[in-house]
Amino acid sequence: EAAVTQSPRSKVAVTGGKVTLSCHQTNNHDYMYWYRQDTGHGLRLIHYSYVADSTEKGDIPDGYKASRPSQENFSLILELASLSQTAVYFCASSDRDWGVQNTLYFGAGTRLSVL
Amino acid sequence: AQKVTQTQTSISVVEKTTVTMDCVYETRDSSYFLFWYKQTASGEIVFLIRQDSYKKENATVGHYSLNFQKPKSSIGLIITATQIEDSAVYFCAMRVGQGGRALIFGTGTTVSVSP
Repeated sequence: EAAVTQSPRSKVAVTGGKVTLSCHQTNNHDYMYWYRQDTGHGLRLIHYSYVADSTEKGDIPDGYKASRPSQENFSLILELASLSQTAVYFCASSDRDWGVQNTLYFGAGTRLSVL
Repeated sequence: AQKVTQTQTSISVVEKTTVTMDCVYETRDSSYFLFWYKQTASGEIVFLIRQDSYKKENATVGHYSLNFQKPKSSIGLIITATQIEDSAVYFCAMRVGQGGRALIFGTGTTVSVSP
């Protein structure tokens, strides 16, 4: 069973502070993604990575950085957290060719509240 | 521009009946893949079913089926014999071409199944 683990599951941060969200996958997948979920907006892609030590910007990268130090780990970094970044964040992984299932495998999500 | 639109915000049905959800997509690519995901009350996001653009037959998995109308750029999800546990948010998503930047999601439709 594919596994994507996010930590922490929830976090309260102060405006202007630094926040790091972590993601670990045991699927041996090449691709990893960070999505943000807001009410009324569905899921939007922030950053993604095809390979370790390389990241790409998604559709809403402003205010976020990403780091992929290894195939298994992918972090999302908010250097200066802002109120507008309060949301639920999902990490996902997939095979290079999306595998037989041709889909993404999602983590359980991290609920971030910036005060 | 590539876009996925779900206009139905919420649907309420009685258990054991059929529910249909709409999804319209926009893309200029000839090759694309369409997905439906379910987000449960706990926040878990689960893959349900997919339709490849080159396939004429509507995909079916268990009590989920698709109504793929390519000329209308429409991919509806049909859930037959609904159960209480089908209450969730359903997301339509599109992936364009091979590899690529992951999925583009719609805003979701909340389905409530009552006894």
